[in-house]
Parts: sequence; structure tokens; C-alpha cells
Amino acid sequence: GAGVSQTPSNKVTEKGKYVELRCDPISGHTALYWYRQSLGQGPEFLIYFQGTGAADDSGLPNDRFFAVRPEGSVSTLKIQRTERGDSAVYLCASSLNSELFFGEGSRLTVL
Amino acid sequence: DQQVKQNSPSLSVQEGRISILNCDYTNSMFDYFLWYKKYPAEGPTFLISISSIKDKNEDGRFTVFLNKSAKHLSLHIVPSQPGDSAVYFCAASAGGSSNTGKLIFGQGTTLQVKP
Repeated sequence: GAGVSQTPSNKVTEKGKYVELRCDPISGHTALYWYRQSLGQGPEFLIYFQGTGAADDSGLPNDRFFAVRPEGSVSTLKIQRTERGDSAVYLCASSLNSELFFGEGSRLTVL
Repeated sequence: DQQVKQNSPSLSVQEGRISILNCDYTNSMFDYFLWYKKYPAEGPTFLISISSIKDKNEDGRFTVFLNKSAKHLSLHIVPSQPGDSAVYFCAASAGGSSNTGKLIFGQGTTLQVKP
């Protein structure tokens, strides 16, 4: 497709489990961003990639969260030992110059 | 500490009238402001932006006003249409128009435009 693709669209897991969320950006977009949106809040910045490297990971809440983008295209957000407070919609966005294009998000529910 | 605040969770207006959505910020380092629109089950989409060197930017039915001294911006939609019903997020960044990826978002305002 032409837009940012995120999988899975919905993920339900149990507390303590490991989760991976995938983002396929728009082809040719060099910058990729992960945001998290909790209920009733706006998106919250997590991490930003320029190419393969994490240019800014200051928004990752703790060391249970990690993201990679090994080939400068697809990115995976990894959450270890999930907690109920991790429940949110995880949004990915990509850009070429300035405007961000968001995917539909992956809704994570931790029981 | 909420650096970008949208104090009205919801707004309801009649079709054809003006919608005014408000946003306040606290960080004086912010120099680029954006509005995003979000429909249910979709990602936010960019609507309009303004640099801190301007006080107004207009694009069709949408106008954004910036009052730097008050640290306040607003989005005007006129005339409002039922298809404008969505959640509107105000966002801000520091570092100019070249650094628009790391955004600080407000909580959002749900706009309902009644036919």
C-alpha cells in the first residue's frame, strides 16, 4: 500500500509477556517515529530513527522498551515483561522532509 | 507536566457556523505548531501548521492563529461541515520547520459538527 502499515492492528497479551509491534513506512521515507497514545491523551513521542540509527530515544519510558530498524526501512518496537500500564495505541509515522504520515496504530492490551 | 494543553475535551457546533479550537503551551522554546485531525481507527493526519515568526496561516476553510505573548494558538474552521467531525490535536516542536517529527501533543478536542 501507499501508506504507513502497522501490524498487528490489535494485540492482547498477558502481563509479563514479550510483544513485538511492526511498522512498514512509506517507501523512500528516511525518518521513522514511534509514538504511544494512551486513552484520553494525545500521542506521546517514544523514539525517532533517521535511516538505521536511533537519532533520539529520549521518549522510551524505561529499558523494557526497545526499537530497531536494521535496514533503514521496517522498524520493530519491542516491549519486554509487559505491564498493564503499557496498554495503549502505538503509532508509527514516517517522513521524508517534514510532514509526518501516521499509520493506523497497533492497539496493545495487557491483561 | 503537560507542555501543550487543550482544555476543552469536546466542542459541538452547527453546520455552516465557525468552529474554534484552542490550545495553550508553556515551553517558550517551541517555535513550530501544528494541528492534526484524527478519525476513529485511523492515524492522525496533518492539517495545518504555523511558524512562530507568523501570527496567522490560512488554508481554505482552516486558519491557525498564534499569540506568542499569551502562548496560545487557535484553529478556526469556517464554515464547519459534518465531515469535519473528528478529534483535533494541537502539537508543538522546537527547532523550526526542519524538526517537525518530535512533537509534543495536546490531549485533543473532539469536534462534532451537527447537520
